[in-house]
Amino acid sequence: EAGVAQSPRYKIIEKRQSVAFWCNPISGHATLYWYQQILGQGPKLLIQFQNNGVVDDSQLPKDRFSAERLKGVDSTLKIQPAKLEDSAVYLCASSSGTPSYNEQFFGPGTRLTVL
Amino acid sequence: SQQGEEDPQALSIQEGENATMNCSYKTSINNLQWYRQNSGRGLVHLILIRSNEREKHSGRLRVTLDTSKKSSSLLITASRAADTASYFCATDNQGGKLIFGQGTELSVKP
Repeated sequence: EAGVAQSPRYKIIEKRQSVAFWCNPISGHATLYWYQQILGQGPKLLIQFQNNGVVDDSQLPKDRFSAERLKGVDSTLKIQPAKLEDSAVYLCASSSGTPSYNEQFFGPGTRLTVL
Repeated sequence: SQQGEEDPQALSIQEGENATMNCSYKTSINNLQWYRQNSGRGLVHLILIRSNEREKHSGRLRVTLDTSKKSSSLLITASRAADTASYFCATDNQGGKLIFGQGTELSVKP
């Protein structure tokens, strides 16, 4: 079974530029998550999709971050404009969403450096 | 916001020794999960323990949960150099939303 795919793996941009990350979840997984992991910290949930609908985006900085999941499969996360504090690893995860058993499968992440 | 607090932040042991990591949390949970993250790679799910369970085993891993103290521990027995990684606890309060702790960095020396 193929895992969660993410691209690119690394990205370096200047502040105020825009950037987009792509995620392809495990086939058949209805739930998709984007996390931000700052160096030395645990992942923080940015947004959770169930199929192509948003379940939770309470911690997404909506003035600069946006995400979409078209057709309930692939997802993109965009930052525009980027700030220095956005430097982090952006992790995508998916799960089958079985009630009371929510093992999440993570992709390798995209390491973003904002200069 | 971070819910889980792991202790210790860093742990260094010799191969063959046991490693114990602790996690405390603040609110009621549906389940608690432990994940491992190797340097530069994504997280891997290790084990899930439900709120009505007290102990769970998986291979060399043993997890305990004390909901009265809002704490959990992860024990890795007979550690190996390949166990070197960061370990995170994550709580699922409801709806599948995981809140991760800061992590414990484990170093196992051959």
